[in-house]
Amino acid sequence: EADIYQTPRYLVIGTGKKITLECSQTMGHDKMYWYQQDPGMELHLIHYSYGVNSTEKGDLSSESTVSRIRTEHFPLTLESARPSHTSQYLCASSAIPGYTEAFFGQGTRLTVV
Amino acid sequence: ILNVEQSPQSLHVQEGDSTNFTCSFPSSNFYALHWYRWETAKSPEALFVMTLNGDEKKKGRISATLNTKEGYSYLYIKGSQPEDSATYLCAPSRGNTDKLIFGTGTRLQVFP
Repeated sequence: EADIYQTPRYLVIGTGKKITLECSQTMGHDKMYWYQQDPGMELHLIHYSYGVNSTEKGDLSSESTVSRIRTEHFPLTLESARPSHTSQYLCASSAIPGYTEAFFGQGTRLTVV
Repeated sequence: ILNVEQSPQSLHVQEGDSTNFTCSFPSSNFYALHWYRWETAKSPEALFVMTLNGDEKKKGRISATLNTKEGYSYLYIKGSQPEDSATYLCAPSRGNTDKLIFGTGTRLQVFP
């Protein structure tokens, strides 16, 4: 079983609030990813990290930001939530980028009202 | 942007039918090809990571083949069962620093 955890699983929050979605893994993986999936749509990469202090934007533009201060922790922050941010957010990690399988967290389903 | 195409987009089959779907990707700078299964209300789980042209991998009733020269991979499910119902995603990788970009997925529904 994968040792990658996301909290919260579900979040309903009002417009304008700042939110942080947590992602932690205990596998010592350097590579971590954040994906976004709107209902019925594709899984889009929004952020990734090669290791501590390394973060890059993915292929889908996102107003969210990420940080990687510790190997095991890769939080995603929205400074001011909007209804357009309503989506499912999935975190993943892998050992050897591109070569070994990625392990996914359970996801956070965010609803901004 | 890495152009990854999966077909068909969705598939409905009867229990016991065998089925297959395709993942197409650019053949240049190929490094590895990932297949994942994503069941409703669960997180995606890896099925296979394939690296060699002509490679074939098998896990139970599911198998996959890889053609890196022409840029495609097939996923086969023999004797589909309702528990095989899921979205099947592929993701090619161009190197060990490459980000993992997924295709649009094939949504499989197996009816009893």
